[in-house]
Amino acid sequence: GESVGLHLPTLSVQEGDNSIINCAYSNSASDYFIWYKQESGKGPQFIIDIRSNMDKRQGQRVTVLLNKTVKHLSLQIAATQPGDSAVYFCAESNAGNNRKLIWGLGTSLAVNP
Amino acid sequence: DGGITQSPKYLFRKEGQNVTLSCEQNLNHDAMYWYRQDPGQGLRLIYYSQIVNDFQKGDIAEGYSVSREKKESFPLTVTSAQKNPTAFYLCASSPLGTSGTETQYFGPGTRLLVL
Repeated sequence: GESVGLHLPTLSVQEGDNSIINCAYSNSASDYFIWYKQESGKGPQFIIDIRSNMDKRQGQRVTVLLNKTVKHLSLQIAATQPGDSAVYFCAESNAGNNRKLIWGLGTSLAVNP
Repeated sequence: DGGITQSPKYLFRKEGQNVTLSCEQNLNHDAMYWYRQDPGQGLRLIYYSQIVNDFQKGDIAEGYSVSREKKESFPLTVTSAQKNPTAFYLCASSPLGTSGTETQYFGPGTRLLVL
């Protein structure tokens, strides 16, 4: 399944499928990007980050892709599990904004068993 | 939630009352942040501090105040001037590195409700 964070805030996938959550960022000067997972009633948890000198970074079952040309960021989750159900936020920052993170609105991921 | 604690988990405020939300971290992080999250929304920055005895306003500082007397602690006061305080409040901390923005780590949050 695939979504665009700002236009399709809910993504529903089948357990075991791969998920792709997309995020469009606005500031071409942004040089740091980060993905967080937030479960209901809890604080956001760090998933993975990437700096602008890279276009891909992999973690455990997750991959972040950065396309600076079109200012697009995506989070890929392999073999999605019920425990992956949460809201996923992307955030961007640049050295000129005093380390403040600019947050996206979030995408809700629902995993169907 | 790492080494960041927030208390209480739920807080009730009466009209005209000031309330203070606690945030403590034992990660030896220099920077600390307060965010507000409304239902179905992203995070909005209220205040942040990069060093003891210094802090800066975020995007929605009106009706809030903070202090940073100790590196480990960054309490947030929601004053009576904040007319719509019902929200989920999140505290975060991060180290200050030489490479630029560093990862922020979040506490479990405090849900503030108005009676």
